[in-house]
Amino acid sequence: DIQLTQSPSFLSASVGDRVTITCRASQGISSYLVWYQQKPGKAPKLLIYGASTLQSGVPSRFSGSGSGTEFTLTISSLQPEDFATYYCQQLNSYPITFGQGTRLEIK
Amino acid sequence: EVQLLESGGGLVQPGGSLRLSCAASGFTFRNYPMSWVRQAPGKGLEWVSVINDNGENTYYADSAKGRFTVSRDNSKNTLFLQMNSLRAEDTAVYYCATYYWTSGSSRFFDYWGQGTLVTVSS
Repeated sequence: DIQLTQSPSFLSASVGDRVTITCRASQGISSYLVWYQQKPGKAPKLLIYGASTLQSGVPSRFSGSGSGTEFTLTISSLQPEDFATYYCQQLNSYPITFGQGTRLEIK
Repeated sequence: EVQLLESGGGLVQPGGSLRLSCAASGFTFRNYPMSWVRQAPGKGLEWVSVINDNGENTYYADSAKGRFTVSRDNSKNTLFLQMNSLRAEDTAVYYCATYYWTSGSSRFFDYWGQGTLVTVSS
């Protein structure tokens, strides 16, 4: 099974900050990497797929990069609505796996 | 507008069974693979199962193999998850999601339901 390890697990930042979350895969997954945002009590929301393609309607301050085993999600200038938990997911092979999540909180 | 509405959750005793449903609307259900994902209270997301568009191919997490069965009724635009031999660790919110699948890297779970809570406890 492919394990995804996100870092950090917890991040405290301020509005306007630039933040980066990393997702490392235990083996190569090409670009089959997806990022989701989840707010408390809500279903996850698709942000980025194919490691770097922004889903329609997602603000351009979100960006993704990477391939193989190392991937990043960057938020260029944090907005109040961005404080949430972020998950990476690999769809390269079964079983599909998620990272453990990164909780982004207001400093 | 795409809508996914899960139902069937509730309180069940260890060893019991539940059947979850996910009613889909707003898209051509029969053209899409579908997935179940769960989230234990205060925990992260865990993939459970995928079923392809015609129901012929199914995939499961190790935690679900042999106990859970995913199925679909394309005539009724409904996805199911039959859960047997339930354990306390199956307690979670269960989400259904559409699986946009291509042979390329454009694969993702794009639409999600609101979830249904399954509690396994005596």
